[in-house]
Amino acid sequence: QVQLQESGPGLVKPSETLSLTCTISGGSISGYYWAWLRQPPGEGLEFIGNVYETGSTNYSPSLRSRVAISVDTSKNQLSLKLTSVTAADTAVYFCARRHKLVNYFDYWGQGTLVTVSS
Amino acid sequence: EIVMTQSPASLSVSPGERATLSCRASQSVINNLAWYQQQRGQAPRLLMFGASTRATGTPARFSGSGSGTEFTLTISSLQPEDFAVYYCQQYNNWPLAFGGGTKVEIK
Repeated sequence: QVQLQESGPGLVKPSETLSLTCTISGGSISGYYWAWLRQPPGEGLEFIGNVYETGSTNYSPSLRSRVAISVDTSKNQLSLKLTSVTAADTAVYFCARRHKLVNYFDYWGQGTLVTVSS
Repeated sequence: EIVMTQSPASLSVSPGERATLSCRASQSVINNLAWYQQQRGQAPRLLMFGASTRATGTPARFSGSGSGTEFTLTISSLQPEDFAVYYCQQYNNWPLAFGGGTKVEIK
């Protein structure tokens, strides 16, 4: 059974960079796209972007200028960096596996809350 | 960008009753639509894909229908564990987009 676990700081100061890691266990990172999504408190889900094992990425147009997603196949990990954060970036951040052939998400991490505050 | 709109925002239903949730796309997504269930404090769980195909582990009381721009998720007889928030997601076009969710509450 594939399991995903997000990790990283729970508090980030405004204008700084949010950095998170997702560790995948119970399966290989190879052959799949891996995504980051987020959910502001009390709100809906937002797709941030995804990465393939080759490093190929797709990003949401609304976040493209500030986001970078990468993958480390040797560690079975993917990473998220979001620069110049503001309070609007406060959210639960999820990593998820995109289905091999189509763009829905079949495995999710539990999520990690990141608060942007000074 | 495709905008996904879910209605109603919340729905009060008694256990054992039927619930019908709607999802509308601003342009056709064919049948490239998924539904997710999110319990409080948990990650979303994939329920349906291809508009009407149940994901592994999804009970038969859940059914999906629709194509193009109009989709429906029906829960035939609500069980206690079904009270949650449900999201639709289109995956026909980039960027991928979710609806705002429908909260199914106990009446």
